[in-house]
Amino acid sequence: QVQLQESGPGLVKPSQTLSLTCTVSGGSISSGSFYWNWIRQPAGKGLEWIGRIYMSGSTNYNPSLKSRVTISIDTSKNQFSLKLSSVTATDTAMYYCARIVGGDPWFDPWGQGTLVTVSS
Amino acid sequence: QSVLTQPPSASGTPGQRVTISCSGSSSNIGSNYVYWYQQLPGTAPKLLIYRNNQRPSGVPDRFSASKSGTSASLAISGLRSEDEADYYCAAWDDSLSGVVFGGGTKLTVL
Repeated sequence: QVQLQESGPGLVKPSQTLSLTCTVSGGSISSGSFYWNWIRQPAGKGLEWIGRIYMSGSTNYNPSLKSRVTISIDTSKNQFSLKLSSVTATDTAMYYCARIVGGDPWFDPWGQGTLVTVSS
Repeated sequence: QSVLTQPPSASGTPGQRVTISCSGSSSNIGSNYVYWYQQLPGTAPKLLIYRNNQRPSGVPDRFSASKSGTSASLAISGLRSEDEADYYCAAWDDSLSGVVFGGGTKLTVL
């Protein structure tokens, strides 16, 4: 079955760019009507959808983060990536990647998550 | 401030039935499917309910959900200790062109 795994630096300095990659295994990132998503969760708080990308490269972003977010896809590596610029301490969170079936928020599966801390 | 509104906490004793509400608007719950997720401590969320009231295979039928207008609810019957978790509702929002989540409800089994 399809599995997702996040990777990237666990510590990012304020004002810098957070960069994460999600590697998809057990299936092709190019197959089916799937959107590939990033979601984050600050410690002790709720889930926040960051954005999604389709295999064609088409994206949708959370309006509150849109000015700082870029999601890209590399079908040759079966990966998609997140870049969040000008980070502050409020961007400290567990970051998850997840697949959506179709257009609805049918997130399944999820990656295990990766903790990113923004600190100098 | 989450777009979908959930009570921050809920509780019940083993065997009881508890419900968790999720309130939205015409641009999200009112016009799109509602999804529910269960997040056990220290783990990624898991899909619990899809398309308002459908259970994925493997989810016990103790879990049920419904939607009416711009609100939805999750019901857990025959409460068990392993149900202690955070529960989130989610929907697509046509106005925001994005996914919105509820703030989450922490369920405690007393």
